[in-house]
Amino acid sequence: GENVEQHPSTLSVQEGDSAVIKCTYSDSASNYFPWYKQELGKRPQLIIDIRSNVGEKKDQRIAVTLNKTAKHFSLHITETQPEDSAVYFCAASKGGSYIPTFGRGTSLIVHP
Amino acid sequence: ETGVTQTPRHLVMGMTNKKSLKCEQHLGHNAMYWYKQSAKKPLELMFVYNFKEQTENNSVPSRFSPECPNSSHLFLHLHTLQPEDSALYLCASSQVSSGATETQYFGPGTRLLVL
Repeated sequence: GENVEQHPSTLSVQEGDSAVIKCTYSDSASNYFPWYKQELGKRPQLIIDIRSNVGEKKDQRIAVTLNKTAKHFSLHITETQPEDSAVYFCAASKGGSYIPTFGRGTSLIVHP
Repeated sequence: ETGVTQTPRHLVMGMTNKKSLKCEQHLGHNAMYWYKQSAKKPLELMFVYNFKEQTENNSVPSRFSPECPNSSHLFLHLHTLQPEDSALYLCASSQVSSGATETQYFGPGTRLLVL
């Protein structure tokens, strides 16, 4: 089955810095890669996703890149703000499968 | 947000109690999920229902019993739980087709404490 590794487990940055979280996956058939943000005491919510037919996707201060050859994808957050502090989960799944595999999560702390 | 709702939001129960968690999705999705989220641990998939049929049971103890009466409602029946079952229980839904997997939408969760 699919295996998703996520690093780092904790990331501490100063406000205004950039943050990068990386995930690797094992199943080359995976073709959908969402990122979820979970603030303290709240539900995980999708912030950005990418499908295997593109290499990069951007939405304001967040972006995701995908390297299918290396089987890794990354979340990039620029100009971080304290409200970006949360746990971020990556996931991978493939067409026809309704069971995504989640990474273990990264706790991002943005210091004012 | 009202796409996926869960009740109750908090639950304290003794090890001999029987209780049920309820999830309802208003998104017209065809798949529903139960996850367990413990502190310092990743999301653990417990059960998956696709078109009301259970398709996954990740070696979950029999003290957890799911029920999916229709594509909009999902229950998790709890019986004789252990303290280590204390966690946040998240429900999610998604739309699945043969060619693509879509985003999962999560409910707010039920914070369960077993004494």
